[in-house]
Order: sequence, then C-alpha cells, then structure tokens
Amino acid sequence: AQTVTQSQPEMSVQEAETVTLSCTYDTSESDYYLFWYKQPPSRQMILVIRQEAYKQQNATENRFSVNFQKAAKSFSLKISDSQLGDAAMYFCAYRNPLRSNTGKLIFGQGTTLQVKP
Amino acid sequence: NAGVTQTPKFQVLKTGQSMTLQCAQDMNHEYMSWYRQDPGMGLRLIHYSVGAGITDQGEVPNGYNVSRSTTEDFPLRLLSAAPSQTSVYFCASSYRRLTSGNTIYFGEGSWLTVV
Repeated sequence: AQTVTQSQPEMSVQEAETVTLSCTYDTSESDYYLFWYKQPPSRQMILVIRQEAYKQQNATENRFSVNFQKAAKSFSLKISDSQLGDAAMYFCAYRNPLRSNTGKLIFGQGTTLQVKP
Repeated sequence: NAGVTQTPKFQVLKTGQSMTLQCAQDMNHEYMSWYRQDPGMGLRLIHYSVGAGITDQGEVPNGYNVSRSTTEDFPLRLLSAAPSQTSVYFCASSYRRLTSGNTIYFGEGSWLTVV
C-alpha cells in the first residue's frame, strides 16, 4: 500500500526567508501524481503545486517550487520569500496512477508552518 | 457556480443519532470521495466512488455509509453517531484523468461534533 510521510510536524521561518518542507512516499508504481496542499485556519484545501511522476522537471508556481527525487521517493516543497500569508498547515499527497481507476488521494500527516514577522 | 458544495458546514449531534452530510458537484466529475481530518493524522479516506452506482470503502469506512445514485451527488451517512466521529469532513471530486487543465476540487469542509 502507498504511504506518505511528513516528518516535520511544525516548522517556522522568518518573513522573506526560504523554508523547505519535507515529504517522502512509498509506492511500487512508476506513474503517479504528487501534490502539496495548503490549509489555512479556514480549513479550505488550496492546491499549491502538483507534479507528474513522468516529468523529470521540477514543478514551479511563483514562490513555490518542489524538489522531486523519484528514485529516493522524496517530494519537498520550497517556499521562497516567505510571507505572513503563507502561515498554514501544508499537506503532501499522492494519487494513484491512472490505470488503477480509483482517484484516491493519500495524505501525509501535515506540517504546520509559522511565519515570523 | 462550479465547484463542490458541502452541507451542513457545522453540526452537533448526540451519540446514537444519525445524519447525512451532503456533497454535490456540477462539473460532471466521475470521481467523488469523502475524507475525515483529525489532528496529527492528515486526511483519511472514508469512502469513494468512481461513477454513479459504484462505491467502495476507503481507509476508515466503519460507521459510515454512502451511495451514488447520480453523478452529481455523493452523500455520507452516519448511521449511529459516536464521539470518535467528531472530525472535519471533506468531500472531493475530480475527473478520472488529471490533465494540465483540471484538478481535484474540495468542498469547504463540514465540522461535526458528537457529544
């Protein structure tokens, strides 16, 4: 069974600095999706970035980028120029490959990010 | 408006009561699923559906029931509420195939307290 692990329950960063959130996963599949979701206190689930496993290039969305290491099964999120609005819970998630036909998302335990002014 | 609509947003139940959390989407998505979120455990899958008339159990299905009579609706039923079911519940939907033009949509969450 696939699993997703976020080993950092809490992280903090100074405003304008860079922080990296870690995520590792376990799967025997070669094709899959990986996601980072942001959850502010409102509990809304906001997609930050996603990565297709078949793409070697790391995904980037403005100040957010990932370091995708497929062989190591690692998927870290880097937030550059951190802003107060980045403070939230961040979840790493894995989605079953297309052919398994289930669409299930498997989530890590989450990392709470604090941004200090 | 396109999106996933969850109701109610807040609910307090007494132990033993039953209730239904509603989830509806207007995007013609094949996949719909229910998750619960508990502190320190991320989101865990309760039940999911890959199309109308097809449902299956996720990681934590006990105490919950689902049905999918239409593509749009995927209600989650609590049969006999227990304090352990106090949680935040999320409904999600998506197309079977993710492309650059589509993604997974989440409802806003339903806060359920069982006393």
